Amino acid sequence: AQSVTQLGSHVSVSEGALVLLRCNYSSSVPPYLFWYVQYPNQGLQLLLKYTSAATLVKGINGFEAEFKKSETSFHLTKPSAHMSDAAEYFCAVREAGRRALTFGSGTRLQVQP
Amino acid sequence: NAGVTQTPKFRVLKTGQSMTLLCAQDMNHEYMYWYRQDPGMGLRLIHYSVGEGTTAKGEVPDGYNVSRLKKQNFLLGLESAAPSQTSVYFCASSPPDTDTIYFGEGSWLTVV
Repeated sequence: AQSVTQLGSHVSVSEGALVLLRCNYSSSVPPYLFWYVQYPNQGLQLLLKYTSAATLVKGINGFEAEFKKSETSFHLTKPSAHMSDAAEYFCAVREAGRRALTFGSGTRLQVQP
Repeated sequence: NAGVTQTPKFRVLKTGQSMTLLCAQDMNHEYMYWYRQDPGMGLRLIHYSVGEGTTAKGEVPDGYNVSRLKKQNFLLGLESAAPSQTSVYFCASSPPDTDTIYFGEGSWLTVV
């Protein structure tokens, strides 16, 4: 079964600084990969997804993620953090042939003024 | 456009009580899911459905039952609630032709 590991349950950055949230997956076959964001007391919203078309994926709100097969990673980045980026971020994987997602444990991003 | 709607949003149950969470989607999606979210554990799949009248077990199905009698509704039942079922429950749905899953806003359940 697929699994997803998110390194760092909490990440704190200053406003304007680079955001880097780490995600590694376990699979011998490249899966479909996703990043979701959850704002307080809300459901999850899709940020971006990798489905083998391009290794660098751009999402909403200035986020992007790069799929690196050799490192089995799909890290999420944003060049300049904004206060409104404070939220919890989840990496997720979907196995080919299956519909449901397997989620990582989440990383809470705090943005300091 | 309501999307995915969950009711109730908040509920407190006593151990041993039963209850049903209702999920409704107005996007004509084939697939529906129930997840639970616990601190430090992300979201874990409880049950899912690939179409009206079908259901399947996910990662953590014990203690829950589901039904999909109508395409737009997916019900999650707790027959005898336990404190370990205190959690935030998320319903989600997706169409068959994309990878995008749409989530409801969550239902906070406390079992005392």
